[in-house]
Amino acid sequence: AQKITQTQPGMFVQEKEAVTLVCTYDTSDPSYGLFWYKQPSSGEMIFLIYQGSYDQQNATEGRYSLNFQKARKSANLVISASQLGDSAMYFCAMREPLAQGGSEKLVFGKGTKLTVNP
Amino acid sequence: DAGITQSPRYKITETGRQVTLMCHQTWSHSYMFWYRQDLGHGLRLIYYSAAADITDKGEVPDGYVVSRSKTENFPLTLESATRSQTSVYFCASSEGLAGGLTKNIQYFGAGTRLSVL
Repeated sequence: AQKITQTQPGMFVQEKEAVTLVCTYDTSDPSYGLFWYKQPSSGEMIFLIYQGSYDQQNATEGRYSLNFQKARKSANLVISASQLGDSAMYFCAMREPLAQGGSEKLVFGKGTKLTVNP
Repeated sequence: DAGITQSPRYKITETGRQVTLMCHQTWSHSYMFWYRQDLGHGLRLIYYSAAADITDKGEVPDGYVVSRSKTENFPLTLESATRSQTSVYFCASSEGLAGGLTKNIQYFGAGTRLSVL
């Protein structure tokens, strides 16, 4: 079974600085996908960025980029130029096949709470 | 507006009552999911559906019932609510199967915070 580990329960960053949120994973599948989601205090889960195991380049979406190191099984999220609105919980997730139906579920890490200070 | 919507956002009920949480998506996504989020357990899959009239159990299905008569709707029913079902419930949807080079991103609704007293 897939496993996601987020070792930073909380992180603090100054506004306008960059911050890296750490995610390591474990899987025996050669084909897999990694996701990052943001959960602000209002509660919704917002998709941020995706990295496929066969992608040649690290994913980027605006101020979000993924530092994907396949050999180390890490997929760290980098947020550049932090904003106050970036304060939230951040979850790393990985697809895991479901036994029936041919679908997949997401396996989530425990999350990292990011606080951006003014 | 396009997207995935859940209702109600907040619900308080009593043990033994039946409760239905609604989920509606406008993308015509094939797959829909129900997760619950609890401290210490993260998000866990309750039920999922591959298409209309096709549903299957996830990790924690006991005490829940789902149906999917239309592609866009995927209601979750707690037949007889218990205090252990106090949680935040998320509905999600995705286009279809992944594997290979397909992203198959799951998009989440805003969640329903359910309290069972």
